[in-house]
Amino acid sequence: DARVTQTPRHKVTEMGQEVTMRCQPILGHNTVFWYRQTMMQGLELLAYFRNRAPLDDSGMPKDRFSAEMPDATLATLKIQPSEPRDSAVYFCASGLSGAIYNEQFFGPGTRLTVL
Amino acid sequence: GEDVEQSLFLSVREGDSSVINCTYTDSSSTYLYWYKQEPGAGLQLLTYIFSNMDMKQDQRLTVLLNKKDKHLSLRIADTQTGDSAIYFCADGEAGSYQLTFGKGTKLSVIP
Repeated sequence: DARVTQTPRHKVTEMGQEVTMRCQPILGHNTVFWYRQTMMQGLELLAYFRNRAPLDDSGMPKDRFSAEMPDATLATLKIQPSEPRDSAVYFCASGLSGAIYNEQFFGPGTRLTVL
Repeated sequence: GEDVEQSLFLSVREGDSSVINCTYTDSSSTYLYWYKQEPGAGLQLLTYIFSNMDMKQDQRLTVLLNKKDKHLSLRIADTQTGDSAIYFCADGEAGSYQLTFGKGTKLSVIP
């Protein structure tokens, strides 16, 4: 049963601390997306990768956020330092470029609370 | 830039039909999608429609596309309590990996 996994599922931290969220895309998928979901803004695209290369991270606050793919099975999203306004649910999704339609498969999300 | 708009809330009685509406601005959209998000979970693709179609039916789901008006709708027949969720409309362009999502419509089904 192929699915996107994300860890941790929940994270509570204090303002100023570093937060790292991890995502394992579906094996064989070559596109990875990071989204942030809040009540106010809805679903925002933060960054996406194809074949591990970042294609667009314009949605991401550059001063504190960074996204990487150390290898094809792992994507990370790091916030340093974290702030209360970063509290949200962060989703990772993966897909296959070249597919007829662009289905994105979402992970269960990481619920981040910054106090 | 591209924009996808949908109403935020819809409440229906169990057994009735639900219609969730969406408008989009990108005239080069190739596929339009409906995703479903259940509480505490990620989004899951429910159905999609190619832009040269005007209707697609899949069991209780009917998708209608009015390309001229850039209007997409999702009809759920015989709505059940298990259909309570947030429904997202999204559009995508051929050759682009990105999808543009609406803010989601929260469907509440009253027993």
